[in-house]
Amino acid sequence: DIQLTQSPSFLSASVGDRVTITCRASQGISSYLAWYQQKPGKAPKLLIYAASTLQSGVPSRFSGSGSGTEFTLTISSLQPEDFATYYCQQLNRFGPGTKVDIK
Amino acid sequence: QVQLQQWGAGLLKPSETLSLTCAVYGGSFSGYYWSCIRQPPGKGLEWIGEINHSGSTNYNPSLKSRVTISVDTSKNQFSLKLSSVTAADTAVYYCARADYYGSGKEYYYMDVWGKGTTVTVSS
Repeated sequence: DIQLTQSPSFLSASVGDRVTITCRASQGISSYLAWYQQKPGKAPKLLIYAASTLQSGVPSRFSGSGSGTEFTLTISSLQPEDFATYYCQQLNRFGPGTKVDIK
Repeated sequence: QVQLQQWGAGLLKPSETLSLTCAVYGGSFSGYYWSCIRQPPGKGLEWIGEINHSGSTNYNPSLKSRVTISVDTSKNQFSLKLSSVTAADTAVYYCARADYYGSGKEYYYMDVWGKGTTVTVSS
């Protein structure tokens, strides 16, 4: 069974920082990966699918890359509204999440 | 714009059955999978299962014996039932639309979500 891991689990950053979150799959999943952002008390929001395709309406500071077993979500310049938890997902499984907090 | 409205009982006793209904407004009901996902307090996301407009279902193996997802295409609604609940089933339950493509549904992602329903199991 495929497992997804994320690193780091927690990240402290400042507004304007470039932030990178990694998701690793226990076996190759081509580009079959999506990324979500979740703020406290809210439903997750789709950011990226097919590893690198930006969902409509998502700011261009978000980008995704990778294929096979290693994927990254990058926020080019962290904004105050980006402090949240980020999850990767492949089919019916989610990664454990990365919480991005204010330094 | 597609919206998901969900409702269900918020407080259950152990051994009762959790029921959640999700209504789809403003978009096509066919051509997607309709999913249920849950999130225990302070924890990550767990996929429960899905159904399409034809009634084809897939369930999380760890919950399969207790889960039933059904569809009412006349109302553009789908429903989750989870039987014999325990405190471990306490979570926020979400409905979501799963879009997909690829010959084997390889590209699969949840692009529309309901607001969530908090379910607490306590005696």
